[in-house]
Amino acid sequence: EAGVAQSPRYKIIEKRQSVAFWCNPISGHATLYWYQQILGQGPKLLIQFQNNGVVDDSQLPKDRFSAERLKGVDSTLKIQPAKLEDSAVYLCASSSVPYEQYFGPGTRLTVT
Amino acid sequence: GENVEQHPSTLSVQEGDSAVIKCTYSDSASNYFPWYKQELGKRPQLIIDIRSNVGEKKDQRIAVTLNKTAKHFSLHITETQPEDSAVYFCAASRGPLKTIFGAGTRLFVKA
Repeated sequence: EAGVAQSPRYKIIEKRQSVAFWCNPISGHATLYWYQQILGQGPKLLIQFQNNGVVDDSQLPKDRFSAERLKGVDSTLKIQPAKLEDSAVYLCASSSVPYEQYFGPGTRLTVT
Repeated sequence: GENVEQHPSTLSVQEGDSAVIKCTYSDSASNYFPWYKQELGKRPQLIIDIRSNVGEKKDQRIAVTLNKTAKHFSLHITETQPEDSAVYFCAASRGPLKTIFGAGTRLFVKA
């Protein structure tokens, strides 16, 4: 079975620029998660989708972050405008019953 | 807000010794407790999980225990090997919702 795919793997941008990340979950997985992992910390949930609906975005900084999951499959996470503190690895994960999350390789974002 | 505390942040053991990592959660509605292993530069991978209706689960050299009353759960690795060296994360969730990760434990296994 193919794993969770993410792109790009690395991105360097200047502060105030915008950036978008893409995630393709495992086929058939209805639940998709976006996490932010700052160096030396555990992943922090930003947003969770069930099919194409948002079930939890309580920790998403909505003034600058947005995410969508069209047709309940692929998802994009956007940051606009980026701040220095957004430098992190952005992990996408997907799951099906019974809750085990499969993570993608992540996108390492550096904001200068 | 809800949180998960994980200790120790760093653990160094001799090859063949046991390693224990402990986590405490605050959300009493949590009922699913996975553990992930993350090697340097790689994605987190599930190594074992436990649900709230079970007190202990074992898979070869890895075991997890859960104390719902105290809101504690622990990872036990026996007969550690150098390839066990990695960062380990605990997490707690309400089923598929409200997943909160601990800060991680960096485990070093010295040959």
